[in-house]
This record gives sequence, structure tokens and C-alpha cells, in this order.
Amino acid sequence: GAGVSQSPSNKVTEKGKDVELRCDPISGHTALYWYRQSLGQGLEFLIYFQGNSAPDKSGLPSDRFSAERTGGSVSTLTIQRTQQEDSAVYLCASSLSGRHRTYGYTFGSGTRLTVV
Amino acid sequence: GENVEQHPSTLSVQEGDSAVIKCTYSDSASNYFPWYKQELGKGPQLIIDIRSNVGEKKDQRIAVTLNKTAKHFSLHITETQPEDSAVYFCASGGSYIPTFGRGTSLIVHP
Repeated sequence: GAGVSQSPSNKVTEKGKDVELRCDPISGHTALYWYRQSLGQGLEFLIYFQGNSAPDKSGLPSDRFSAERTGGSVSTLTIQRTQQEDSAVYLCASSLSGRHRTYGYTFGSGTRLTVV
Repeated sequence: GENVEQHPSTLSVQEGDSAVIKCTYSDSASNYFPWYKQELGKGPQLIIDIRSNVGEKKDQRIAVTLNKTAKHFSLHITETQPEDSAVYFCASGGSYIPTFGRGTSLIVHP
């Protein structure tokens, strides 16, 4: 597609339930990132995928968070046993490459997660 | 790790005025400095970027300047318009995970 696609755009879930957030990056972009943005706050890095390399998970806040990227394309961020503090906008971004030359990101519109 | 400071946190201007947002960074190895604009309900959008081998870059009403010695870079918006109202983020990248500033909320009053 023309841009980074994220689904769902909004998700309301009950505390304790698991949620899956999906990201479709721009075709040909080898680098994929997940960020979290709480209300009125900046961008908190979660996880980074580059090609077939092992992901950089250094930003994941707890072991309830995990992500995978299948076939070097679509990525899914999973939050298990959701807590109210998980409520935020989850943003996905992709770029041409990450390791040897830095490029700007193309962000998706995000998934607004509300845990009630 | 890298530390990026962004100022001001809020900037209010009249339509037609100029706006300047400044960022400082700590990692002397950083070589890529993008700026993003985030409108309400949307993801951030890359609006301009600069690499360390250039001191200034312009694109119509926006420009970015870089001072590598002082480790700071700035976004300049001239002839501001109401549609420029948004949150602006700077970032500093030397590795594959750039560090973002905390954002500046720009309000342009008609």
C-alpha cells in the first residue's frame, strides 16, 4: 500500500484480556518499529525489527508485551493480561533501512488502546 | 544513551509570524536529524530532515539548521498558517533507534 496501515484503529478491552495489534509496513521497507504514546506524551520505543535479524526488544516494558514479524512484512504486537496503564496509542513505523544509514520513518495512524 | 532536549514545550504565535523550535543532543556520533509533525488523531509525519554533512536545509516555508559543534539543531517555520498547528518532534539518530524529543505544541492563532 501507499502507507503504513495499522488495525484496529481503536480497541477497547477489559482488564486482564489479551490484545493483538497489527501493522502492515510499506512494501520494501526492511525496518519496522513499534512505539507507544501516552496521552500528551512523547514517543516511547518498544521494539525494532530489521530484515531477518533478531529483533531489538530493549524497549518492551514487561514480559506481557511481545511482537513478531512474519515474512519480513506484517507485524503483530501482543499484550497479554492487559492493565489500565497499557492504555495508550500504539504507533508502528517503517523505514528503508536501520543499521548502516538512517532514514526517516513513515508512521501509521496508530491503534488507540483503552483498557477498562 | 543519547539525550535529546526540545524547547519550548508550547509555542503560541500569530498567523504570519515565524516559529522556531530548538533541540539539543548529546551523542556526537549522531548524524541524522529528522523533524516530525503530528496532527491530532494522526501518526507523526516526517516533514524535513538533515544529515550531519549539511548545515541548513530548506523546503518552502520550513527550514532546519544544524550546529554540530554546539550539538543543536532547529526547525524554522516562516509565515505560519493555522494548519501549521500541531505537535512537532525532533529526533537525533546515530544508530538505528533514534531518540525523540518530548515534542512542542505549536498553536497558530488566525
